[in-house]
Amino acid sequence: GIQVEQSPPDLILQEGANSTLRCNFSDSVNNLQWFHQNPWGQLINLFYIPSGTKQNGRLSATTVATERYSLLYISSSQTTDSGVYFCAADPFNDMRFGAGTRLTVKP
Amino acid sequence: GAVVSQHPSWVICKSGTSVKIECRSLDFQATTMFWYRQFPKQSLMLMATSNEGSKATYEQGVEKDKFLINHASLTLSTLTVTSAHPEDSSFYICSATWLWQNTEAFFGQGTRLTVV
Repeated sequence: GIQVEQSPPDLILQEGANSTLRCNFSDSVNNLQWFHQNPWGQLINLFYIPSGTKQNGRLSATTVATERYSLLYISSSQTTDSGVYFCAADPFNDMRFGAGTRLTVKP
Repeated sequence: GAVVSQHPSWVICKSGTSVKIECRSLDFQATTMFWYRQFPKQSLMLMATSNEGSKATYEQGVEKDKFLINHASLTLSTLTVTSAHPEDSSFYICSATWLWQNTEAFFGQGTRLTVV
């Protein structure tokens, strides 16, 4: 099956800083999604982005499908951005998650 | 986005009993549902993929007889943990998608299972 790798595994930022999270995947995909998992375990859907670029407020994401990677940008980080960010890739009916990036934003 | 509801949110059961977890797509017809398991501080591991009306496809190492999956309708899939043991305690999450629209997956809120 498809392999999904995320980096960095851990990231500590000062409030207001910017960050870039990376997701590499080993095969062509029909689906690439980014999630933020809240403390209760719920996955918050950030982006559905199999290709191209999208922006939502302070967050944006870019997927370069031909080079098999996706980036999640967080600008002007806030303490509420803390948590685990996952990307998940689905070549077809086989959605796999990366190991996640644990983000800590300090005040 | 579309809504997927998972029930219950948490459950405590005695060792040896069975527990059923429901996953419902509330405002769309789900052709495919996925079941995941997540241990503390780890990623989500795919357990099985189920397509409506057909048998689930289990990932290697997942016991079919222990984790029974039924996807009898386009809006409901169930995961039954049979003869539960403490090592089955985990966070279980379902997701749903419909292939002929796009492949975006929507996730339930998860079920925290504790077996005592």
